[in-house]
Amino acid sequence: GENVGLHLPTLSVQEGDNSIINCAYSNSASDYFIWYKQESGKGPQFIIDIRSNMDKRQGQRVTVLLNKTVKHLSLQIAATQPGDSAVYFCAEGVTGSWGKLQFGAGTQVVVTP
Amino acid sequence: DGGITQSPKYLFRKEGQNVTLSCEQNLNHDAMYWYRQDPGQGLRLIYYSQIVNDFQKGDIAEGYSVSREKKESFPLTVTSAQKNPTAFYLCASYGAYGYTFGSGTRLTVV
Repeated sequence: GENVGLHLPTLSVQEGDNSIINCAYSNSASDYFIWYKQESGKGPQFIIDIRSNMDKRQGQRVTVLLNKTVKHLSLQIAATQPGDSAVYFCAEGVTGSWGKLQFGAGTQVVVTP
Repeated sequence: DGGITQSPKYLFRKEGQNVTLSCEQNLNHDAMYWYRQDPGQGLRLIYYSQIVNDFQKGDIAEGYSVSREKKESFPLTVTSAQKNPTAFYLCASYGAYGYTFGSGTRLTVV
């Protein structure tokens, strides 16, 4: 499944399939980017981050891709599991800006059996 | 375990009342932040603090106040001047290994 946009859309994906969540960031000066997962009623949990001198970074079952030319970020989740159901946010930051982050609106991922 | 503790988890406020949300961290982080989250929206920065006794306004500071008297503590007061305070409030801190978020306080005006 794939979804685009900063509003809170819903991405439905079948268990075992790969998920792709997209994010368009706004600040050309942003030099680091973070993906968070948020379950209902809880605080965001760090998933993976990437700095602007990279275009790809891999973690456990997750890959983040960065395209600075079009200011686009994506999170790929391999073999999506029921526990992956949550809202996913991208956040952008600028080194030296006191650690402040700008967040996208998020994407709701629903994993169906 | 090190982390951030927010309390209470749920808070109800009457019109015209001030309420204070607690945020405590034992991560020895210098920087702390308060974010507000509304349904279907991302997090928006209210206030942040880089060191004790210093703090700066974020994007939506009107109607809120903070203090940073201790490194471990960064309480947020929602004043009666905040016209639409019903939201989910998240505290975060930042250190050598990145950001850590608390579990949030859900504030409802009744």
